[in-house]
Formats: sequence, C-alpha cells, structure tokens
Amino acid sequence: KNQVEQSPQSLIILEGKNCTLQCNYTVSPFSNLRWYKQDTGRGPVSLTIMTFSENTKSNGRYTATLDADTKQSSLHITASQLSDSASYICVVTVRSNDYKLSFGAGTTVTVRA
Amino acid sequence: DSGVTQTPKHLITATGQRVTLRCSPRSGDLSVYWYQQSLDQGLQFLIQYYNGEERAKGNILERFSAQQFPDLHSELNLSSLELGDSALYFCASSPTPSAGELFFGEGSRLTVL
Repeated sequence: KNQVEQSPQSLIILEGKNCTLQCNYTVSPFSNLRWYKQDTGRGPVSLTIMTFSENTKSNGRYTATLDADTKQSSLHITASQLSDSASYICVVTVRSNDYKLSFGAGTTVTVRA
Repeated sequence: DSGVTQTPKHLITATGQRVTLRCSPRSGDLSVYWYQQSLDQGLQFLIQYYNGEERAKGNILERFSAQQFPDLHSELNLSSLELGDSALYFCASSPTPSAGELFFGEGSRLTVL
C-alpha cells in the first residue's frame, strides 16, 4: 500500500476558479513534504517544501498547508490559469539514514477556459 | 532549466534490444536518482547513487542496471527490452542524499516496438 495517498485522482476546473488538492501520508518519522508540479511530458518542479513545524507556505497562487498531527497536507490553487494544467505530486521524506522519498500518484488538474 | 541534462530525449527501439540513457546532474550535486513513469502512471523509483556508490534501490528490474561515474554523470542501461518498458525515464539530482528537493531532467522517452 502506498504510504502517500493523493486525492482526487483528477479534476477539471474553470479558469479563474480555486481548487484544493489533498495528500495524506503514513510515512514515519516525518522529515518534510514537498509538492511538485509536473507539466505533461516534462520533469517535475518543486513548488513548496513543508517541514514539521510549518503549517502554511505560499508560492504565488499556490498555498500549501500541513497538519503533522493528522498527517495531511493540501495544496490550494487560487484564481487558476490555463498554465496550471498539470499533475501535482506530493512527496514525503522519511527522516532516516537514507532519507527515503515516498511519492504520491499525483493529481491531474485540467483548467478550462 | 533545472540544470539536469538527459540524453537522448527520444528513443525508439525494438523488443529484445538494449539501450543506455545518460544523465548529467546539476553542477555540484552528488546524488542521482532514476525514475520510470509509464503512461498516465506516477513516478516509480528505480535507483539512487551518491558520489559514485549505490545508495538505494527501488523497483528496478534485473534487466536494468545503472552506475554513476567519477565525473558524477550516470547511465541507466536497459536490456532485453519489452513492450512494457516503454515509458519516460527521469533522472533527478540533489546536493546530498538527505536533500529534500530533487531537480529533475526533462526525461528520456523510450518507445519499444
């Protein structure tokens, strides 16, 4: 069973609208959580990193939240643009000797005009 | 531009053949990761090297092998290719094994006919 679960698997929104993506993890002990954006056919690019003590972090129109107690994170996209159409991947790092990375399967966001 | 270079960008070959994918990490990054992404699937971790040594191994088939050279570039060798090996193969690098952020290349798209 994947230790990082993302929902929804995909969603379609109209340009200008907001959306929220969810990431639940069971990874332990926790080091950090990153959200990556992957455009179709391109390599993923990091959007934000959340450490244990951080609750909210923004990067432009992207805002990530973290609840380390419930092991949940969300990525909120505000005023979506066509260029936000991509797959968003949640990656959790285990705090251990090898700092293993656990990847979610991603949420595919399609923004329509 | 992430600074990670992968070649070739596209490769078409036949079943049973062998191919080599090459990755040059970002300047100064000692750790290299290989991932496989099949159509509409998430990133599957294959293998990680740090400063020339194998650091972690994921779901890498025995037909696949990799190495990291003294100049830190890495190669992923895929042999006895099967139709199911068709995928995007991504290389990523990070400064250390414990660095949370990975910098991904643009990928090598392998098509096995």
